[in-house]
Amino acid sequence: AQSVTQLDSQVPVFEEAPVELRCNYSSSVSVYLFWYVQYPNQGLQLLLKYLSGSTLVKGINGFEAEFNKSQTSFHLRKPSVHISDTAEYFCAVSYSSASKIIFGSGTRLSIRP
Amino acid sequence: EAGVAQSPRYKIIEKRQSVAFWCNPISGHATLYWYQQILGQGPKLLIQFQNNGVVDDSQLPKDRFSAERLKGVDSTLKIQPAKLEDSAVYLCASSLTGGVPTEAFFGQGTRLTVV
Repeated sequence: AQSVTQLDSQVPVFEEAPVELRCNYSSSVSVYLFWYVQYPNQGLQLLLKYLSGSTLVKGINGFEAEFNKSQTSFHLRKPSVHISDTAEYFCAVSYSSASKIIFGSGTRLSIRP
Repeated sequence: EAGVAQSPRYKIIEKRQSVAFWCNPISGHATLYWYQQILGQGPKLLIQFQNNGVVDDSQLPKDRFSAERLKGVDSTLKIQPAKLEDSAVYLCASSLTGGVPTEAFFGQGTRLTVV
C-alpha cells in the first residue's frame, strides 16, 4: 500500500542545535517526495521537493533533505534551528504525476531557548 | 500571484446540520484537492479533481459528504448531516498538472467545529 511514515510525533531541540526529522515511504518504481511546514493556524507551505536528479535537495529557510532509495527515506535536516522554526512538519509522497499526494502524520518541532 | 482562497475561515454548527465550504484555486491550476485534517493528524485526502472530473474520491464518506467543481474552477464541499467526528480543518489545495508533478499549494483552511 502507498504510505508515508513519520517516526517522531514530537522533536524538542535547543536553539542553534541541528535537527533531523525522519520520513520513510513505501517503495515504488517512481516516487516524488515533499516536505511541508505548517505554522499555527496557517495552511501548509512547501519547504522542498524531490522529483528526480540530485538526491540532496535544498529548500527554504535553510532546510535540506536527502532522498535515499535503498532505505526508502527522505529525512529533513537543518544544521542550526531558530525559534521561528517552531511548527509542524509533514512529509508527503506522490507515486506518479497524476496521483494523489499522501501525507504523513506530522512531526511537531519545538525549539527551546 | 494570488493564492488558494477558502471561505469561511471558521464555522460552528450543531450535529445533524449541514455546512458548505468554498474554494477558489490558483488561476490555471487544473488539479484541485480537498483534505480533512483532524487535530494532531496529517491531512487526509477526501477528493481530487482534474478540471471538473473526479480523479479520486475513495476516502470521501459519500453518505454525508459531497463535492463539486463547476466549470473546472471553483469548488464546494458539503457535509449533510454533520457528525461530531467531522470536526476538523478542511484544506483546499491546487496544483498544475501534466507531465512533471508539481507541489500542491494550500489555502488557509476552514476550521469546522461540530457541537
